[in-house]
Amino acid sequence: ILNVEQSPQSLHVQEGDSTNFTCSFPSSNFYALHWYRWETAKSPEALFVMTLNGDEKKKGRISATLNTKEGYSYLYIKGSQPEDSATYLCARWTDTGNQFYFGTGTSLTVIP
Amino acid sequence: EPEVTQTPSHQVTQMGQEVILRCVPISNHLYFYWYRQILGQKVEFLVSFYNNEISEKSEIFDDQFSVERPDGSNFTLKIRSTKLEDSAMYFCASTQSPERAYEQYFGPGTRLTVT
Repeated sequence: ILNVEQSPQSLHVQEGDSTNFTCSFPSSNFYALHWYRWETAKSPEALFVMTLNGDEKKKGRISATLNTKEGYSYLYIKGSQPEDSATYLCARWTDTGNQFYFGTGTSLTVIP
Repeated sequence: EPEVTQTPSHQVTQMGQEVILRCVPISNHLYFYWYRQILGQKVEFLVSFYNNEISEKSEIFDDQFSVERPDGSNFTLKIRSTKLEDSAMYFCASTQSPERAYEQYFGPGTRLTVT
């Protein structure tokens, strides 16, 4: 079993605070890491696809980094807003299997 | 923007009954998936489907499960005789081709409750 772990499980922050959370994964047979943003009753929305060690990607106030050698990725949100409240899922794609391995997600609540 | 749709959004069924969950993938996509997430647990891969046949399946996808693309648009997951432990959120996903299998678009899910 190729375990993908996310921490923390849940997070409550005040509006305007910056926050970050972690996805860790086995570094062997790495191909790609995805971050998804998932609001209740909606489709998981792809935020980033990261493939190269040292990748840094940014989308507005959200950014992510990737370290494939040590097997982790960080997601950062700068100046959190209530609309950022969602579950953030990471999923690993390997070069040997044709499926995603998901983490349990980090549930973010931004308090106005 | 094209999206994957799923119906129904919530299905309640009695143990032992058959259910069919429906998905309409993005129209030019050729590779389809089903995943499930039991409450409080990780999203798990069930099955992938390409060229009208199962491409890969997990150990969860036993004989009680089947998938079908009955026409050019729908992709269905059938559970023949539901068990309590089948209660979960079921997600469909699609991608353009096997070469882009890691770029999947997800539907909003169907919450299945087995009583």
